Amino acid sequence: QVQLQQSGPGLVKPSQTLSVTCAISGDSVSSNSATWNWIRQSPSRGLEWLGRTYYRSKWHNDYAESVKSRITANPDTSRNQFSLQLNSVTPEDTAVYYCARGADYYDSSGNLFLEAFDFWGQGTMVTVSS
Amino acid sequence: QSVLTQPPSVSGAPGQRVTISCTGSSSNIGAGYDVHWYQQLPGTAPKLLIYGNNNRPSGFPDRFSGSKSGTSASLAITGLQAEDEADYYCQSYDASLTGYNYVFGTGTKVTVI
Repeated sequence: QVQLQQSGPGLVKPSQTLSVTCAISGDSVSSNSATWNWIRQSPSRGLEWLGRTYYRSKWHNDYAESVKSRITANPDTSRNQFSLQLNSVTPEDTAVYYCARGADYYDSSGNLFLEAFDFWGQGTMVTVSS
Repeated sequence: QSVLTQPPSVSGAPGQRVTISCTGSSSNIGAGYDVHWYQQLPGTAPKLLIYGNNNRPSGFPDRFSGSKSGTSASLAITGLQAEDEADYYCQSYDASLTGYNYVFGTGTKVTVI
């Protein structure tokens, strides 16, 4: 069973960098079939996918346009975890941040579905305030 | 912000059937992208409920079912139970925006009355 355990500070000052880490058990950050995602949730923005890191012969990243200039998602293979860094935060970045595994699912004919987020971390409430 | 629209709330008595719609457009659901559904119990992370439009992972009963047609998708809950009280979200992909874009619905709160 895959488990994702998040850690990180709950309070960040405006203009500083938000950092959250997600430790993986039951899978590998270097898996050739999974992706490792960051998603946040706030009352104003709902659920918002932020970005992902994954390994397919080499490391790749994809980021949402809304945060592309400020976000970094990095793997840490020595600790089997991955991290989120969001720079230059404002109060609008106040949210619950989740890590989640993206996995491939197939139908009975072997056709691949759109990747689904099948395991989630417990969430980290991050408040941006001075 | 969300490009997938859901009703804010639906309610039903125990044993009844409720449905939740997820309305998209030609750049997401209508473009053929699959729809997944998540259940979020109060104070917890979302949990994958339906994948690939109408498939259930192990752990969820067959009271939950999904469908997709045109630019919309639906989640049905039959034989509604008190434990089904939760927020439900649809999720897909949108090709209209630059970059990579997984998108979620606005969310629907299900209340068992």
